[in-house]
Amino acid sequence: AQSVTQLDSHVSVSEGTPVLLRCNYSSSYSPSLFWYVQHPNKGLQLLLKYTSAATLVKGINGFEAEFKKSETSFHLTKPSAHMSDAAEYFCVAGGSARQLTFGSGTQLTVLP
Amino acid sequence: DGGITQSPKYLFRKEGQNVTLSCEQNLNHDAMYWYRQDPGQGLRLIYYSQIVNDFQKGDIAEGYSVSREKKESFPLTVTSAQKNPTAFYLCASSIPVGSLRLNEQFFGPGTRLTVL
Repeated sequence: AQSVTQLDSHVSVSEGTPVLLRCNYSSSYSPSLFWYVQHPNKGLQLLLKYTSAATLVKGINGFEAEFKKSETSFHLTKPSAHMSDAAEYFCVAGGSARQLTFGSGTQLTVLP
Repeated sequence: DGGITQSPKYLFRKEGQNVTLSCEQNLNHDAMYWYRQDPGQGLRLIYYSQIVNDFQKGDIAEGYSVSREKKESFPLTVTSAQKNPTAFYLCASSIPVGSLRLNEQFFGPGTRLTVL
């Protein structure tokens, strides 16, 4: 069985400061990993994905994530938060089409 | 523009009524999915379809039904048997990849269903 744990349900940062959203996964094999962002009452938008080509993955809007197999982690980072980054973020693990697993989400608040 | 459309954006229904949520995609994707999202929770898979005329139950299929008569369309019916249907419903599509690797899924804007 596969599972995804987002370690913080809420994260608050000041505008211009770094963002760290934490995600751990559990899987019997090396999964595909994704980060999605969701703004209120909207669908999910893909930020970035890991599919074993490179452990450091760069995404849209300045976000990046590093896959660390030894720590079973896939944390999302951004050097400098912007007000428009305020949203909910989901870490997702994918195997076969039947085995897509979502974390419970992290709500990011950006303070002026 | 290619994408996924869901309609309506907001839907109200009386208890005991069936209601159908629309999902259409023009991405030429083979696979389509329905998820339910409740506050403070991740997405939970209701049904998915990897090819026309075939679909599989997800983790929470009870009280829901689907059809896949066309590649572009994957409507979801919320039946009166669904005990707690008020939620945000998201449709997605992807190009299915065999075995262990999965391409990303593309999501529609969602439908918020409220049972009165």
